[in-house]
Amino acid sequence: EPEVTQTPSHQVTQMGQEVILRCVPISNHLYFYWYRQILGQKVEFLVSFYNNEISEKSEIFDDQFSVERPDGSNFTLKIRSTKLEDSAMYFCASTLWGSQPTNEKLFFGSGTQLSVL
Amino acid sequence: GESVGLHLPTLSVQEGDNSIINCAYSNSASDYFIWYKQESGKGPQFIIDIRSNMDKRQGQRVTVLLNKTVKHLSLQIAATQPGDSAVYFCAEPLGRAGNNRKLIWGLGTSLAVNP
Repeated sequence: EPEVTQTPSHQVTQMGQEVILRCVPISNHLYFYWYRQILGQKVEFLVSFYNNEISEKSEIFDDQFSVERPDGSNFTLKIRSTKLEDSAMYFCASTLWGSQPTNEKLFFGSGTQLSVL
Repeated sequence: GESVGLHLPTLSVQEGDNSIINCAYSNSASDYFIWYKQESGKGPQFIIDIRSNMDKRQGQRVTVLLNKTVKHLSLQIAATQPGDSAVYFCAEPLGRAGNNRKLIWGLGTSLAVNP
């Protein structure tokens, strides 16, 4: 069964450093997302991406965050200067039918656990 | 504002029993709901979804019930197995249908299945 893959599974970084989280969405999917989950809290939406541009972003997704689809398979999330509060599990997700209300189920990767020290 | 929340944070059941996980939502205009299962160390996995024009939908060993009058959603798992142990989330898309909507998530219910 096709799946969303994320690398690395764990990332430890120093505060102020740049990190890039990588995702390979399911190959024929068109809509891509990043969510994050701080330990013990709800899953939070960060950004959605379609047709090589951001569709929507949350308040969390400030100027320190950026996303990119550098080729036909990868979808990355970059945090330019990490803060302690960026420590969380980051999930990439994709779906084929983002514009179809009956087919909005997202397929998630296993996540990258980011720890900022 | 819109929100999706869980009644119970933890649920412990005996193997073979049925499990019921509850979820409340506040937006009466919500048109679609999804249940996800998250096992330890993994990403959320789709279980079942339901549109607001339905009251019930069944899958393999799972049933979702939607009560729009009281804005309540439940996930029923029949003959619960140890492999069902996970955190279960209800989620709903926010915004107008057809616009690549983001998901709003509940806090999650941790289901523990005792052998």
